[in-house]
Amino acid sequence: ETGVTQTPRHLVMGMTNKKSLKCEQHLGHNAMYWYKQSAKKPLELMFVYSLEERVENNSVPSRFSPECPNSSHLFLHLHTLQPEDSALYLCASSQMGPGVSDEQFFGPGTRLTVL
Amino acid sequence: DQQVKQNSPSLSVQEGRISILNCDYTNSMFDYFLWYKKYPAEGPTFLISISSIKDKNEDGRFTVFLNKSAKHLSLHIVPSQPGDSAVYFCAANFGNEKLTFGTGTRLTIIP
Repeated sequence: ETGVTQTPRHLVMGMTNKKSLKCEQHLGHNAMYWYKQSAKKPLELMFVYSLEERVENNSVPSRFSPECPNSSHLFLHLHTLQPEDSALYLCASSQMGPGVSDEQFFGPGTRLTVL
Repeated sequence: DQQVKQNSPSLSVQEGRISILNCDYTNSMFDYFLWYKKYPAEGPTFLISISSIKDKNEDGRFTVFLNKSAKHLSLHIVPSQPGDSAVYFCAANFGNEKLTFGTGTRLTIIP
């Protein structure tokens, strides 16, 4: 496997379900991100982890709970979601540090539908 | 296949002058374009977007121009300020497809 992988690719869940999204990066990067992409809206940054510590949380509702057990893996735990949470959830990784471009490499995304 | 290209990895501009960042794309299906700014050790910040039905969108010091026939997008910052020093990414998509990002241009504003 190369690059950034995400599972599952598609997820349909009810508002009372609990599910998790998984992301894995094979690039040796030290930072990972969760984004929410809704149609015709800018990408919304949800969480940033650098060296496995959360460095940014843009006021995301508590029904979204991230977990970063190591520098290669990132999870997004979902519970009691709302229909408006239906979107494409993207994971990305980058190498943070001086003298690097911070270019982000994105996974294919998980298309989430909340019924 | 890089569908969104930023051919200049870096750009230096004198404070107070205009910064012009360029982006080219190959997928004629793209109908929504965005610019993001990223400081080191932070997540990217949305700056400005434009729909393919327009050719210009302005927000304060930032203006994005879209030339659909040339498949070219540019971001103008005027006047440039030291706080504008960052990496700038352009991105594009259509429908509900995933955003495709360019590789970024590092802008340095010289005081």
